[in-house]
Amino acid sequence: RKEVEQDPGPFNVPEGATVAFNCTYSNSASQSFFWYRQDCRKEPKLLMSVYSSGNEDGRFTAQLNRASQYISLLIRDSKLSDSATYLCVVIGSGTYKYIFGTGTRLKVLA
Amino acid sequence: DAGVTQSPTHLIKTRGQHVTLRCSPISGHKSVSWYQQVLGQGPQFIFQYYEKEERGRGNFPDRFSARQFPNYSSELNVNALLLGDSALYLCASSLVGPTNEKLFFGSGTQLSVL
Repeated sequence: RKEVEQDPGPFNVPEGATVAFNCTYSNSASQSFFWYRQDCRKEPKLLMSVYSSGNEDGRFTAQLNRASQYISLLIRDSKLSDSATYLCVVIGSGTYKYIFGTGTRLKVLA
Repeated sequence: DAGVTQSPTHLIKTRGQHVTLRCSPISGHKSVSWYQQVLGQGPQFIFQYYEKEERGRGNFPDRFSARQFPNYSSELNVNALLLGDSALYLCASSLVGPTNEKLFFGSGTQLSVL
């Protein structure tokens, strides 16, 4: 079983739609969680950290469910510019290893 | 302020050769880590350095090595290149050590092994 798993997609959604991605992790001792965005042939860029209480940044909401060991990302009112690959990142307790999922590809259609 | 810079941007090598990739972190950042990203996959952790010491190593063969210099820049070396080493190599810097530190990535070095 992979340490971090994501549905690779692609998710094709119309502009204005709400879309959600999940990411599951296998190490229950994992401490820190992030969502990164990666555009085609570009470097990953931090989208948002994920906190236990859940957090929101504009149209983006991230949630952490420790009991079920998954994190989620919700994008409301999708824009064409949201088209990208979304990578979840998990950091284990006491480790220096950032573990990336394979990424979920989103395409927002006009 | 400059972001993370990597050189070269593209590189073509043949099997069996050696390659050195370079990375300069964001000014003030003391931690540098290296990742390999194969097309269609997420980045895979190779190394992390903090204050010139190796703090973590991923599941890569000994052909991969790295070091961090007093100015916090870093080199990744790969010996005896294989076709499977073809990938985007990403360097990331962070302010201090690991654990819930946000990573800032360079634009990467695209390595092609023929």
